[in-house]
Amino acid sequence: DGGITQSPKYLFRKEGQNVTLSCEQNLNHDAMYWYRQDPGQGLRLIYYSQIVNDFQKGDIAEGYSVSREKKESFPLTVTSAQKNPTAFYLCASSIRWGGLASSYEQYFGPGTRLTVT
Amino acid sequence: GENVEQHPSTLSVQEGDSAVIKCTYSDSASNYFPWYKQELGKRPQLIIDIRSNVGEKKDQRIAVTLNKTAKHFSLHITETQPEDSAVYFCAASAWGGTSYGKLTFGQGTILTVHP
Repeated sequence: DGGITQSPKYLFRKEGQNVTLSCEQNLNHDAMYWYRQDPGQGLRLIYYSQIVNDFQKGDIAEGYSVSREKKESFPLTVTSAQKNPTAFYLCASSIRWGGLASSYEQYFGPGTRLTVT
Repeated sequence: GENVEQHPSTLSVQEGDSAVIKCTYSDSASNYFPWYKQELGKRPQLIIDIRSNVGEKKDQRIAVTLNKTAKHFSLHITETQPEDSAVYFCAASAWGGTSYGKLTFGQGTILTVHP
């Protein structure tokens, strides 16, 4: 554990409110990712960033926004446009590209469980 | 885009038996295939990974095999123990291309090892 943190662990919001989830890493990784996990489903990629000030949409980006102003931080905002925001959100980080011999393991944070009512 | 299918969705074995989980992928450009283990309420953790230039990799009781031609890869756990009980996810990624790092996950397999 350690290296990548998410806060808070549990978050409750009313429908129609935007909410921002925090993700910080001290692993000196260039790449960071946001996933959503729903019961009985795999992890689905929301957004990813390979370098500061750059990010790309994943498979389910609608209703979400991100920023990458610092290498260590990749906050995710769940907007009121997200139709079903209640889920477990996982942040991860990895190296960007280190050659064929490198490890591309994605290190996950402990997650934030968001409940919107 | 990439599509990863994982089977079975649930797997129940007796302690000491072997467990096999299979995944298929659709994108021939995928060249990196990790397996993650997620215990209840915890974060996923990498248990083993394989690159497309290797057909098999083993780490103690865990092994992964890859068939590039058929586009499938499998996780093998031998001598299962109750602490192996968890959800296992396979994933695929095309490292070295423009979308490197973008993992596509399978739906997960709930493994239960009965003492």
